Amino acid sequence: DTAVSQTPKYLVTQMGNDKSIKCEQNLGHDTMYWYKQDSKKFLKIMFSYNNKELIINETVPNRFSPKSPDKAHLNLHINSLELGDSAVYFCASSPDGTYNEQFFGPGTRLTVL
Amino acid sequence: DAKTTQPTSMDCAEGRAANLPCNHSTISGNEYVYWYRQIHSQGPQYIIHGLKNNETNEMASLIITEDRKSSTLILPHATLRDTAVYYCIVRVRGSNTGKLIFGQGTTLQVKP
Repeated sequence: DTAVSQTPKYLVTQMGNDKSIKCEQNLGHDTMYWYKQDSKKFLKIMFSYNNKELIINETVPNRFSPKSPDKAHLNLHINSLELGDSAVYFCASSPDGTYNEQFFGPGTRLTVL
Repeated sequence: DAKTTQPTSMDCAEGRAANLPCNHSTISGNEYVYWYRQIHSQGPQYIIHGLKNNETNEMASLIITEDRKSSTLILPHATLRDTAVYYCIVRVRGSNTGKLIFGQGTTLQVKP
């Protein structure tokens, strides 16, 4: 019944590794987002996809590559992980890109050692 | 997007109304006021939004001043589970980006 789900919930990895976080929504929404919440708790948008097309890319390093195989999924792949990538990553969805009522997933806590 | 100003933190007694203020003095005519909250270790949760009329739903009420330069989110009977960070966001609806900009919010502590 979970509307927006993310896996894994926790991810601990070494610097330099490549990792992926998966997100799925069962709300039938067209638009999905990735947000990053750093240690100071500021929440910032990273990417937005509308019906599998990228519509927002907020000056995120190109080590981060979102992939949307279909409109219900938006995965985040991170290459060459750095210490500063440690954060909580939230996926969200909305009916379409014009809506500001977004539904968030539970988050993935990434720790880079 | 108009900037918002919120108190850093507030306390409220359980069972009493929690009134969370937000200033948005530079809001423009087509910008809505949105409220989200984030309970510890969870994803943000949409609460309510409004343009100029007061709004109420099952979670809260939103009171927007006539000049729209400020608003108040009201949780009528706060419970311990309402302890969270509350974010006030001003945004054009239908802007086709859906990009929410979160400030530091107000940390509401509901006390028994």
